[in-house]
Amino acid sequence: AQTVTQSQPEMSVQEAETVTLSCTYDTSESNYYLFWYKQPPSRQMILVIRQEAYKQQNATENRFSVNFQKAAKSFSLKISDSQLGDTAMYFCAFMKGGNQFYFGTGTSLTVIP
Amino acid sequence: KAGVTQTPRYLIKTRGQQVTLSCSPISGHRSVSWYQQTPGQGLQFLFEYFSETQRNKGNFPGRFSGRQFSNSRSEMNVSTLELGDSALYLCASSPAGTDTDTQYFGPGTRLTVL
Repeated sequence: AQTVTQSQPEMSVQEAETVTLSCTYDTSESNYYLFWYKQPPSRQMILVIRQEAYKQQNATENRFSVNFQKAAKSFSLKISDSQLGDTAMYFCAFMKGGNQFYFGTGTSLTVIP
Repeated sequence: KAGVTQTPRYLIKTRGQQVTLSCSPISGHRSVSWYQQTPGQGLQFLFEYFSETQRNKGNFPGRFSGRQFSNSRSEMNVSTLELGDSALYLCASSPAGTDTDTQYFGPGTRLTVL
């Protein structure tokens, strides 16, 4: 079975600073996909970034980047130049073949002005 | 394109009743997945439908069922509601439900069971 662990239930960061959210996963699969989703308060979940396990290069989307360590089964999200709009619950997710997602329990991030 | 829509947005039911939730995927998307989100358990996968067929199923009791129509719209039904069924129910759609697809989530239906 696949499991996704987010060990930081809550985090905070000063506006304009950098923050890293941790995620580890457990799987016996060799090919899979990893995602970070963002769920702002009372708003719908949106995709932040995705990473294919077969790609060694870390994915980057503007201020968001990941540190993917396949051997360590680690997939952390770095948010640079944090903005107030980044305040949200962040979910790490794992997907193997079959379009079935496994989500972590989430990290609540608060950006402090 | 319009995003994923879910109706209703809020529901209040009592124990023992049944409820039907609806999800309209993004136009052209054929895969619809359903998730239950609770503070304690996080997001848990319920099931996925593709071309009117249930393709994947999570670890939920038979009280939870779903279906998909030819226009890819999907419904989820929960019978004999229990207090623990109170949750945010999210649906997500993707073009074909393949490994390369990204899921796009709807706003959710907030179900409260009294």
